[in-house]
Amino acid sequence: DQQVKQNSPSLSVQEGRISILNCDYTNSMFDYFLWYKKYPAEGPTFLISISSIKDKNEDGRFTVFLNKSAKHLSLHIVPSQPGDSAVYFCAASVKGERSYGKLTFGQGTILTVHP
Amino acid sequence: KAGVTQTPRYLIKTRGQQVTLSCSPISGHRSVSWYQQTPGQGLQFLFEYFSETQRNKGNFPGRFSGRQFSNSRSEMNVSTLELGDSALYLCASRGTEYEKLFFGSGTQLSVL
Repeated sequence: DQQVKQNSPSLSVQEGRISILNCDYTNSMFDYFLWYKKYPAEGPTFLISISSIKDKNEDGRFTVFLNKSAKHLSLHIVPSQPGDSAVYFCAASVKGERSYGKLTFGQGTILTVHP
Repeated sequence: KAGVTQTPRYLIKTRGQQVTLSCSPISGHRSVSWYQQTPGQGLQFLFEYFSETQRNKGNFPGRFSGRQFSNSRSEMNVSTLELGDSALYLCASRGTEYEKLFFGSGTQLSVL
């Protein structure tokens, strides 16, 4: 049972344009959401997060939007740069499980930004 | 500050063998989690250790086990390897910002 789904395996965008990565979840107990970025041969690195009490969080070129009623979140990257090319994982956690290091991840979306 | 270190980087084993993977967390981090990454499945939680105690375990068979030492270093063991165990095994440590995991580069295990 995939509780966190990233339905787009890949996304290709032009440098300077907006990249929008989407994520859907089914578990209504999730109250904290994160995005991780992974380059080949490296471990995932934390990018940005959002609590369920908010609907938007910004950090530089990265913005995460949360729509709780639709159980949907998205990551916007503006402007996209070639160095952003990586696999992006959406992750979610339940308050109790978060304390014990458990995140539930999506399958990942491969973002390719063309110069 | 050194990051999370995992050894070895690559491993090739045959079915039925067992394997031990090692993880050294970021200095000062006492929580270590293990994840399995396979194509199309994302990262799946294996277990988490804190102060040498397993506090949480994912939905994996008993062939997957782990331990943590007093210096917070952790090992993961997989016994009676199966072809389906071929995956990237990632270790992550966590400090006071408990929602953020810091991952190592992983151990790529191939079971032939």
